[in-house]
Amino acid sequence: DAGITQSPRHKVTETGTPVTLRCHQTENHRYMYWYRQDPGHGLRLIHYSYGVKDTDKGEVSDGYSVSRSKTEDFLLTLESATSSQTSVYFCAITDRGVFGELFFGEGSRLTVL
Amino acid sequence: GEDVEQSLFLSVREGDSSVINCTYTDSSSTYLYWYKQEPGAGLQLLTYIFSNMDMKQDQRLTVLLNKKDKHLSLRIADTQTGDSAIYFCAAISGTYKYIFGTGTRLKVLA
Repeated sequence: DAGITQSPRHKVTETGTPVTLRCHQTENHRYMYWYRQDPGHGLRLIHYSYGVKDTDKGEVSDGYSVSRSKTEDFLLTLESATSSQTSVYFCAITDRGVFGELFFGEGSRLTVL
Repeated sequence: GEDVEQSLFLSVREGDSSVINCTYTDSSSTYLYWYKQEPGAGLQLLTYIFSNMDMKQDQRLTVLLNKKDKHLSLRIADTQTGDSAIYFCAAISGTYKYIFGTGTRLKVLA
């Protein structure tokens, strides 16, 4: 299994509070991604990174920011959480090898009350 | 950008074949993928197909690609209860973005 750790795995917070989710990898993969999974919407890309300090927006980036100061860590921050950000968040990594397999973490379930 | 569409649910009887369909909009994706998600877990790659192929078979799995219609399908032969899961179709948009469909929840009835 790819070495991907997401933390926290579960979090309950209140509207308006800041939240940071961490994705840590031990594979030295260049590319890292944050997705959110919601019923009826599947998996939607929030932000991604193609190298240290190199990040870009996905399709649902409003209300989220990311940082990648070192290869192994990709942080997703909700500056002021809203109930619409209640979701399961997945981190994924790849080195874009032979056929570009994406490896996923186990997910972080966030509930915003 | 890329858009990937799937039907949301499929129910089959154990031992029958399952066919999960997917349509996509961006024909430039080099590879197209099928991922499986079991309850409470992340996604795992099930199979993939290179864009210049029409078909790929891997044990009980058959992937068909119709590039003209931008249609991808996954056939699971002799479906078992352990195949109950959510199946996601995915494509690469541009250089870095992996775009996923809505996922199809497969329920296998004993």
